[in-house]
Amino acid sequence: NAGVMQNPRHLVRRRGQEARLRCSPMKGHSHVYWYRQLPEEGLKFMVYLQKENIIDESGMPKERFSAEFPKEGPSILRIQQVVRGDSAAYFCASSLGVGDEQFFGPGTRLTVL
Amino acid sequence: AQSVTQPDIHITVSEGASLELRCNYSYGATPYLFWYVQSPGQGLQLLLKYFSGDTLVQGIKGFEAEFKRSQSSFNLRKPSVHWSDAAEYFCAVKYSGGGADGLTFGKGTHLIIQP
Repeated sequence: NAGVMQNPRHLVRRRGQEARLRCSPMKGHSHVYWYRQLPEEGLKFMVYLQKENIIDESGMPKERFSAEFPKEGPSILRIQQVVRGDSAAYFCASSLGVGDEQFFGPGTRLTVL
Repeated sequence: AQSVTQPDIHITVSEGASLELRCNYSYGATPYLFWYVQSPGQGLQLLLKYFSGDTLVQGIKGFEAEFKRSQSSFNLRKPSVHWSDAAEYFCAVKYSGGGADGLTFGKGTHLIIQP
């Protein structure tokens, strides 16, 4: 049973470009969470999704960031017009249900030049 | 709002010595508490969790943690550390009432093991 998968593992973008980060949850998991880890910081919650629904996006920046979890396929975290401050590690986690243990992926390390 | 404090940014311990990493949370209701470990360049691995019941919980790799409601603490312990325990350790809390399901993390404690 494969764990949470994220790709790419490393992503380099120039300022103003778009970044797309993908997350495939564990088999059978329908709850996905995105977190951002800035250097020397803990993880900060961004958004919580279930299939085709955003449940809680209280941690998402108001502009340029969006997330989706379609009926088919991986969850996508999209960052438009990236800036240097977006450079961070982005982690995805999945769980079987509400309140269940969250299993983390290996992360995508975004570098904005 | 819920918050987690890990007062020690770095801790250095000799191999074979005991370890205690501190974690305090700020939250009114009964929390769900977690300890995760992160090796360099890797994702997070769950060490242990507390939801309810026995306040002393056992985890993987020989770790344990004790929930103390009176002190709002959930300190992580290990009787004898190994060099492979060197990593970043994160304490996290979650709202137990449903709805918002995201974890709130502390800033982490970097564990250094001396030979």
